[in-house]
Parts: sequence; C-alpha cells; structure tokens
Amino acid sequence: DAGVIQSPRHEVTEMGQEVTLRCKPISGHNSLFWYRQTMMRGLELLIYFNNNVPIDDSGMPEDRFSAKMPNASFSTLKIQPSEPRDSAVYFCASSLMDFGYTFGSGTRLTVV
Amino acid sequence: SQQGEEDPQALSIQEGENATMNCSYKTSINNLQWYRQNSGRGLVHLILIRSNEREKHSGRLRVTLDTSKKSSSLLITASRAADTASYFCGGGGSNYKLTFGKGTLLTVNP
Repeated sequence: DAGVIQSPRHEVTEMGQEVTLRCKPISGHNSLFWYRQTMMRGLELLIYFNNNVPIDDSGMPEDRFSAKMPNASFSTLKIQPSEPRDSAVYFCASSLMDFGYTFGSGTRLTVV
Repeated sequence: SQQGEEDPQALSIQEGENATMNCSYKTSINNLQWYRQNSGRGLVHLILIRSNEREKHSGRLRVTLDTSKKSSSLLITASRAADTASYFCGGGGSNYKLTFGKGTLLTVNP
C-alpha cells in the first residue's frame, strides 16, 4: 500500500481564493482525520469521519472550512474564501479502529 | 477529549544516552499512542499501549502507562542522531479520536 496520499504537497494561493486539499486514505481503514499544524497552535484536529460519515467537526475553525468524504477512498478539505491566517500544514490520517493512525505527508498551504 | 500533553518541550542529549519524555492526559482512555515527526514530514506511529497494560517494549522504545495518574512516558535507549525529531502522544478513546499536544523536540547530538 502506498500509504495515505495527500495532494497537492504545496499550495500557494491569494487571499480570497478557494482552496481544495485532497486525501486518499489507506484501503480498508474506516476512520479519516484532518489535522492542521502551526507553530503557534501545534496539531489541531479539524474533523474526523467514521465509515465516511462526519462524526465530529467541532475543530473546524469557521464556516469557511468544509470537508467531505463521498466514498471510502477519498476526502476533501475546502477553504472558501482563504485568508492568510489559514497558512499551515494540513495533514490527513486514516486508521482502522484504534490500531494507530497513518499520516499523509501533508499539504503546506500558504495564503498570501 | 483525550488530549495528550508532552513534557519537556525540548530535550537535548548526546548520542548513546537515553531520552525520556512524558505525557499527561485528561480523561479516561482505551489506549495511549506515541508518534514521531521528522521536520517537514507527517507523524509516524511508534507504539500503542492499551489501558490494561503498564509497560510495553518495541526495539529501543519502552513505554509505560499509569492510568491512576493519567500519565505515560516514552524512553528511547541508546539514542542515535537519527532519533532527532518531535515526539507526540495522544490518548485514544472509544471514538478513535486523538488529540495531541505540541510535542517534545528531541535533539540527539553526534
């Protein structure tokens, strides 16, 4: 298995633009998590899905953020409109029950 | 949530020495997990210890768990320069959700 695949690896966008981050979890994993990492705040859990259903989105900072998981092999995190304070590294992780997470390599987002 | 908070924030040692990092959490957990993050990369799962276990080993790693104190420790023996990374802990509950602290930055000097 290629692991958790995130795209793009780097994204630079202008303030106000829509940004879509993508994640392909490991086949067979039933939970998917989106995290954001910054120096100031550390690793923040934004939202997680179980069996493609959003379970807890209390970490989503604002209505500008939305996430979907249309099927077991794909998830997106969308920011619309983007702001400079959204600049961070966004990680996707997947797991099978509580056997430990597998993280992707992350998407480094810069909003200018 | 089963938040993990790591201590110390930073640790610098010489190659060959042992490194000990601590973790505290707030609520009941089913398991406690440790992860490593090399600069610019995703987190890598190191070891999981279940709430009914007190100690677990994996290679040069030793993890302990004290549920009465809501704390855990990670010991890396005979450290190597390649162990230089940030280390995170997270407590797992029935909802499989993990939240992490800001990690311990370990620097192993050659």
